[in-house]
Amino acid sequence: AQTVTQSQPEMSVQEAETVTLSCTYDTSESNYYLFWYKQPPSRQMILVIRQEAYKQQNATENRFSVNFQKAAKSFSLKISDSQLGDTAMYFCAFRHGGSQGNLIFGKGTKLSVKP
Amino acid sequence: EAQVTQNPRYLITVTGKKLTVTCSQNMNHEYMSWYRQDPGLGLRQIYYSMNVEVTDKGDVPEGYKVSRKEKRNFPLILESPSPNQTSLYFCASRTHPGLAYEQYFGPGTRLTVT
Repeated sequence: AQTVTQSQPEMSVQEAETVTLSCTYDTSESNYYLFWYKQPPSRQMILVIRQEAYKQQNATENRFSVNFQKAAKSFSLKISDSQLGDTAMYFCAFRHGGSQGNLIFGKGTKLSVKP
Repeated sequence: EAQVTQNPRYLITVTGKKLTVTCSQNMNHEYMSWYRQDPGLGLRQIYYSMNVEVTDKGDVPEGYKVSRKEKRNFPLILESPSPNQTSLYFCASRTHPGLAYEQYFGPGTRLTVT
């Protein structure tokens, strides 16, 4: 069974600095997708970034980028120029490539951005 | 506006009193699912549906029922709620093909069972 591990329950960063959130996963499949979701205090789940396993190039979305290490089964999220609005819970999630694939979430990392 | 709606957003109830949390999406998505979120556990899938009249269990289905009679609606039913079902519930939907399509989440329903 697939598992997703986020080893940092809480992190903090100063505004304008860079922070990296860690995520590792376990799977025997070769076709899968990885996601980072943000959950601000409003509780809404917001997709931050996604990565297809077959793509070697790391995904980027503005200030957000990932370091996808397929052999190591690692999928870290880097937030550059952190802003106060980045304060949230961040969840790493895995989905295998079949149409029935459900999202498997890690336990989350609570990020606090300090002024 | 493309969205997933859930009702109610907040619910306090007593043990054993049947309740239904509704979920509706306006994006013509085939795939819908329910998750519960508990502190320190992340989100776990309860049930999912591939299409109308097609539902299946997720990772934590005990104590829950679902139905999918219409494509847009996917209600979550708790026949006899218990305190261990106190949680934050999310409905989500996405289109069918297994690519990296985004899963859209509803706003969440905070359920408290006393």
